[in-house]
Amino acid sequence: EVQLVQSGVEVIKPGESLKISCKASGYSFITYWIAWVRQMPGKGLEWMGIIYPGDSDTRYSPSFQGQVTISADKSITTAYLQWSSLKALDTAIYYCARLYDSGWYRAFDIWGQGTVVTVSS
Amino acid sequence: EIVLTQSPGTLSLSPGERATLSCRTSQTVTSSYLAWYQQKPGQAPRLLIYGASSRAAGIPDRFSVSGSGTDFTLTISRLEPEDFAVYYCQQYGSSPLYSFGQGTKLEIK
Repeated sequence: EVQLVQSGVEVIKPGESLKISCKASGYSFITYWIAWVRQMPGKGLEWMGIIYPGDSDTRYSPSFQGQVTISADKSITTAYLQWSSLKALDTAIYYCARLYDSGWYRAFDIWGQGTVVTVSS
Repeated sequence: EIVLTQSPGTLSLSPGERATLSCRTSQTVTSSYLAWYQQKPGQAPRLLIYGASSRAAGIPDRFSVSGSGTDFTLTISRLEPEDFAVYYCQQYGSSPLYSFGQGTKLEIK
C-alpha cells in the first residue's frame, strides 16, 4: 500500500526549533516529488515547498522561502520540514503530499495524515 | 503571482441536487495542470480530479470538471450525503509553482 505517515502532535514554545517527518512506503521514494502544505486553523491549504528525494532538488514558495527548510533522507524514505525558531503564527496542521507527475498531469495524489503543530508559551 | 478564486465561499444544497463550484485563475492555467481536492473535517485532503478531467482512483463519475484558460468548474451531478465537504482547486506552473484556491464549503441545506 502506498502511504505517507507523518510524525505526531507537537506542542512547542515560541523560539524553539522543530523538525517533523513524513515516512513514505509502498513506492519508489526517490522518483516522486514530495510537497509540504500548511493549513492554519479554520483556513485553506497553502503550498510551502517541494523536494525531489532522488537528488534533493528543492523549491520553495516565496511566502515560505527562508522560513522553513525541507529535506529528505533516501536511506530511510523520509522527508522533513523544519523550523529554526517557531512563532505563534506557525500554529497549523502540516501535510506532506506525493506529487503524481505523468509529464502531462501533475497533482498531489497521496497525502499524509497531517502533523498538528501548536506554538504556545 | 497567480491567484485562484473559488466561488461561492459556501454552497448550501440538499442531497440529490446538482452542485456547481467555480475556480477562476488570475492567469491562464494549462488544463492538464489543474486539480481538485475534497477535504472533510478532521481529514487530509483527497485528490478528486486531475489533468482537468481525469478522476482519481475510486472517485465516482458524478464528479466532473469543465473549463479552460482561467475559468474552471467542478460539477457534482447528484449530491450524496458523503459529498458535503470543502473543495479546493489547485494549479501548477505559475509563481508560486503550486497554489490552491481558498476553498468552497459545500454544506447540507
